[in-house]
Amino acid sequence: NAGVTQTPKFQVLKTGQSMTLQCAQDMNHNSMYWYRQDPGMGLRLIYYSASEGTTDKGEVPNGYNVSRLNKREFSLRLESAAPSQTSVYFCASSEVGGGIDTQYFGPGTRLTVL
Amino acid sequence: AQSVAQPEDQVNVAEGNPLTVKCTYSVSGNPYLFWYVQYPNRGLQFLLKYITGDNLVKGSYGFEAEFNKSQTSFHLKKPSALVSDSALYFCAVSALTGANNLFFGTGTRLTVIP
Repeated sequence: NAGVTQTPKFQVLKTGQSMTLQCAQDMNHNSMYWYRQDPGMGLRLIYYSASEGTTDKGEVPNGYNVSRLNKREFSLRLESAAPSQTSVYFCASSEVGGGIDTQYFGPGTRLTVL
Repeated sequence: AQSVAQPEDQVNVAEGNPLTVKCTYSVSGNPYLFWYVQYPNRGLQFLLKYITGDNLVKGSYGFEAEFNKSQTSFHLKKPSALVSDSALYFCAVSALTGANNLFFGTGTRLTVIP
């Protein structure tokens, strides 16, 4: 039981490049989330998926797209990376959505955009 | 709108002394309150949560938190700090009314001094 896994762990991009962050969970959870963590700002929600087949914007969705590929997998795509997207990205999942259930986090992806 | 405030960026405490990490919140309706801990280069780990019922909530690793509705607070406490408790602690809040997301505070870095 691996919980929530994320790939890659580290990534360096040049401005304008694109990439996809992958996330998978093996807990049969319905809801999945993408957050970014920046110093002094806590975690901010980028997108979430309350259930398979649905996605919704969070607090900071600009510059990102997501795909809920199936119940297990939720990917985050940066189409044209910008230095402002330098951050640590966390994927999380929970059995129930709506922010009322315990969320389980992956180890994070540290992204640097030059 | 939901919000969380963690008024202290840094808390230092001597090993064996009691510790408190403060959190105040603002929500419309009844709050769902969480504490998470983050160790260096790791994802967030769930510590405890308040949904309803007893105002004193007990969680992992000997931590507890007290929900105080009149003061809109949910302070994290531990009777005797360990060096291994040194980490970054996040308070988070959500509510069934309003945006159905979890909102995180900016985090408090706890350092336990041997």
